[in-house]
Amino acid sequence: GAGVSQSPSNKVTEKGKDVELRCDPISGHTALYWYRQSLGQGLEFLIYFQGNSAPDKSGLPSDRFSAERTGGSVSTLTIQRTQQEDSAVYLCASSLDRSPLHFGNGTRLTVT
Amino acid sequence: AQSVSQHNHHVILSEAASLELGCNYSYGGTVNLFWYVQYPGQHLQLLLKYFSGDPLVKGIKGFEAEFIKSKFSFNLRKPSVQWSDTAEYFCAVTRSSNTGKLIFGQGTTLQVKP
Repeated sequence: GAGVSQSPSNKVTEKGKDVELRCDPISGHTALYWYRQSLGQGLEFLIYFQGNSAPDKSGLPSDRFSAERTGGSVSTLTIQRTQQEDSAVYLCASSLDRSPLHFGNGTRLTVT
Repeated sequence: AQSVSQHNHHVILSEAASLELGCNYSYGGTVNLFWYVQYPGQHLQLLLKYFSGDPLVKGIKGFEAEFIKSKFSFNLRKPSVQWSDTAEYFCAVTRSSNTGKLIFGQGTTLQVKP
């Protein structure tokens, strides 16, 4: 079956612009996660959605970052007024309850 | 704050050498432990996991890891590496009470020379 799908795969934007990154999780997966992978920084947890519960936003680095998940499926991560330090690979993952995470290929964001 | 430390950032081995990658975590409660692998150009995928039971867990491709609670460690091992094991390896931890928030280490890049 289809895995986690992320779009776009690459995004180049100018500093100060807003960007939206999209994630289509595996069908039926109740949990959805966003991580950021920066060079030499490993994977940084951003936000986690589980069913209809309030999302765990504890990893969002600033109020320029927000995410929503519509209808318990597709999620959009929005970064407002992008900065150069936002350049990274943004990874989405989904899972069924306690099962291991399935990752997408990520969106490589470059802020110029 | 909960953290995960991977002590080896870049490891270079020859084929058939043995591998051990260190992972330590700081959380004192009950945890679930994972190793993920990212092959060049591919997405992250699960290598193995520990939830409970036998602390020596076996994963795919001949990898294994041992959970030592007293040392807060979950080291990854493989007796004989292959060139195809060249990849980046990530240790990850989540609290059993909150399985959603997976905390990753910084990763270890393994380069296996043929």
